[in-house]
Amino acid sequence: AQSVAQPEDQVNVAEGNPLTVKCTYSVSGNPYLFWYVQYPNRGLQFLLKYITGDNLVKGSYGFEAEFNKSQTSFHLKKPSALVSDSALYFCAVREGGSYIPTFGRGTSLIVHP
Amino acid sequence: GAVVSQHPSWVICKSGTSVKIECRSLDFQATTMFWYRQFPKQSLMLMATSNEGSKATYEQGVEKDKFLINHASLTLSTLTVTSAHPEDSSFYICSGGWGDGYTFGSGTRLTVV
Repeated sequence: AQSVAQPEDQVNVAEGNPLTVKCTYSVSGNPYLFWYVQYPNRGLQFLLKYITGDNLVKGSYGFEAEFNKSQTSFHLKKPSALVSDSALYFCAVREGGSYIPTFGRGTSLIVHP
Repeated sequence: GAVVSQHPSWVICKSGTSVKIECRSLDFQATTMFWYRQFPKQSLMLMATSNEGSKATYEQGVEKDKFLINHASLTLSTLTVTSAHPEDSSFYICSGGWGDGYTFGSGTRLTVV
């Protein structure tokens, strides 16, 4: 069975500071990992994914994530937060043999001016 | 990139009436479409997985007679909420499987009065 955990309901960061949104996962085989962002009353927008290859994945809007197999983590990071980054962030995972993703509960990112 | 167009963005209906939500894949063929329900400040709850030309697979606890899903073509999937009640008020999002990942519609805010 596959599962994903986002341990923080909310992350607060000052504009200009680096941000990290945490995600850990559990799968039987090789993981397919995703990050999505959701703005109020909107669908989810794709940020980045890890399928294979380099552990550091760069995505949209300056975000990146590092795949850490030993810690089964895929934390989302950005070197310098913007107020406009304030949104709900979802981590998702699926096993290689499955096509149905499992989403985390979401983390609300609040960037203060 | 892959785009899923979801309509309507919002709808208000009276109790007892039915509402249809459409999701169209504009530039790819969505063999599989996922339908989610999202409560305020909560994660996505997978309702069902639909595959073109076959019956949808509903998650446990989701009433298939109430939430009718049709995936008659590779570019169109619909969710019909039948005999809607106020407790069906929610945000509904569709997602098409594309490549290794997923692309989401913009969501439909359903309010049943």
